[in-house]
Parts: sequence; structure tokens; C-alpha cells
Amino acid sequence: DGGITQSPKYLFRKEGQNVTLSCEQNLNHDAMYWYRQDPGQGLRLIYYSQIVNDFQKGDIAEGYSVSREKKESFPLTVTSAQKNPTAFYLCASSKVKGRQSPLHFGNGTRLTVT
Amino acid sequence: AQKVTQAQTEISVVEKEDVTLDCVYETRDTTYYLFWYKQPPSGELVFLIRRNSFDEQNEISGRYSWNFQKSTSSFNFTITASQVVDSAVYFCALSESEAGKSTFGDGTTLTVKP
Repeated sequence: DGGITQSPKYLFRKEGQNVTLSCEQNLNHDAMYWYRQDPGQGLRLIYYSQIVNDFQKGDIAEGYSVSREKKESFPLTVTSAQKNPTAFYLCASSKVKGRQSPLHFGNGTRLTVT
Repeated sequence: AQKVTQAQTEISVVEKEDVTLDCVYETRDTTYYLFWYKQPPSGELVFLIRRNSFDEQNEISGRYSWNFQKSTSSFNFTITASQVVDSAVYFCALSESEAGKSTFGDGTTLTVKP
């Protein structure tokens, strides 16, 4: 079945370490997104990419970095510069870029930094 | 700037009751799309419905129905004869940019008790 795979499901890191969250999709979708979810809050956009080798900052990009070398993959690196990295991270994709396309989500990665 | 407000943080009902989840949005654009997503305890958001700004026709799908009113900037979601499996966090989202970025409300946690 087609879908979005995020790994790992749970991730623990020490403060000061960079960590990379994986996101792979086999839906042949053009656009991919990273959202952050904190308890009791909605999703906030970190980065998005509409095409391979191109990506744009979302609303809370500071302390994060991404790459889009392949259509299927959109990894997110949480750097040591991110002041409050503990959160639930969701990767999403949409068939085409544009406001009309619904998002398809992965199962998320719960990152805990101590 | 676009904004989505879900004023109900938590709702608790008993099975078979009807329940309405409220969503109010703000946008300056005349062309936009509204979405509802469901997030079960597993964490993955699931797309439920999409509405564009030019289509105010209400929709019913099984036990679900949606009421879109541009005059009040609202896009409410009703579950009829609720079931325990409906327990989840429900998000309303607005997409107005061609980049496909969505703004999410903070979500409403629905608990359906047997």
C-alpha cells in the first residue's frame, strides 16, 4: 500500500546533538511538508518542498534543516540550535502543490531531548 | 494573515449522542480551501473533507456532515450518533496560498464514552 513512512517512531537525544528524522513516501506526490505538534496545539509548519532540490522555510524554521534530493524522501534535521526540540514531528505530502490538495500524513516521530 | 480558531478544546459525549465541532477562520483571500482532519491516538492525521470557498453546499457522508457558511466564516463538523471509535483529536485547517501551506486550528479532543 502507498503511504508515508516516518522513522523512528520514538527518538531520544541528549541536548546539543543534531538528530535527523526520516520521511519517505511512495505516493509519487510532488510536495512534502514537515510539521511540529506540541501538546494542546495545532500543527506548525517547519519546512516544505514542492519539487526536488528546492524547499522553503515555514513559520518555525529556525533550528531546523531539510534536504530534498529525491522525490520520495524529505529528511528533517533538528539541530542543536533549536531551543525547544522536544515535540511530535509529522511529515506530510500532497499530490500536487497548491491550496486545493489535502495532506497525507505519516505516523509521526516523537522526539525527546534531555 | 490567515487564522483558524477551534474554540472547543475538549468535548465529552456519551455514545449515540450527536456532537458538533466548531471551526471559525480568518482570511483576506477570496479563494481558499478548508479541511477537516482526524487524529486518532496512533498519531497519524487522516483527511476527512475539503471545501473550497466558492462551494457553500453542505455535505453529508454517513454519520458525518459539514456546514460551511461564508457569512460567518465557519466550517462546522457534526457527528451524528457518535461512537467510541470517533474518539480522536479533530483539526480544522485553511489553505489559501498556492504553495499549499495549511494553517491548522489547535484541535478539539473528542471523547465518546460507551
